[in-house]
Amino acid sequence: QQQVKQSPQSLIVQKGGISIINCAYENTAFDYFPWYQQFPGKGPALLIAIRPDVSEKKEGRFTISFNKSAKQFSLHIMDSQPGDSATYFCAAVKYSGSRLTFGEGTQLTVNP
Amino acid sequence: GAGVSQSPRYKVAKRGQDVALRCDPISGHVSLFWYQQALGQGPEFLTYFQNEAQLDKSGLPSDRFFAERPEGSVSTLKIQRTQQEDSAVYLCASSSYRGQLREQYFGPGTRLTVT
Repeated sequence: QQQVKQSPQSLIVQKGGISIINCAYENTAFDYFPWYQQFPGKGPALLIAIRPDVSEKKEGRFTISFNKSAKQFSLHIMDSQPGDSATYFCAAVKYSGSRLTFGEGTQLTVNP
Repeated sequence: GAGVSQSPRYKVAKRGQDVALRCDPISGHVSLFWYQQALGQGPEFLTYFQNEAQLDKSGLPSDRFFAERPEGSVSTLKIQRTQQEDSAVYLCASSSYRGQLREQYFGPGTRLTVT
């Protein structure tokens, strides 16, 4: 049972464009939603995270939009750069110190 | 470096062999997690330690998988009688109990190939 569903599976964007990745969750006990970036041969690294009492969080070119009633959240990468090419995972956590439940991942390619 | 380290980075095992994967967490991090990442998939939780106590092992796929963290620092994930379906990247992550964002810092992983 996939508790966090992510789309699209792959995404190709031109340099300077906006990359949008979507996730949906089922379990309302989740209370913390991070996004991770993973390069080949590396472990995932935290990009940005949000709690459900906030509808939007922005850090630099990265923005999370959160819709609690729809149980959906998305990552927007503004002014996408070739260096952003990586696999992105959304995740959810139920409570402090608990395990991450990951989505399936989105492979982003930003063309020069 | 102050990050999470894992060894070996790559391991090839013949079916039926036992393997041991090591994780050195960030110094002082109380929480330690193991995840399994199949090719092209998101990481999946295996087990969780708080200090030396294994608080959650519900993700371990079979009794061939065993993890320990005897002194609350370094952890070892052991897989007995490896099978081909065990081929994956095994990721270790650590977290500061006092971290408000509960950020988990991941190591580079150990890629296990069972032939």
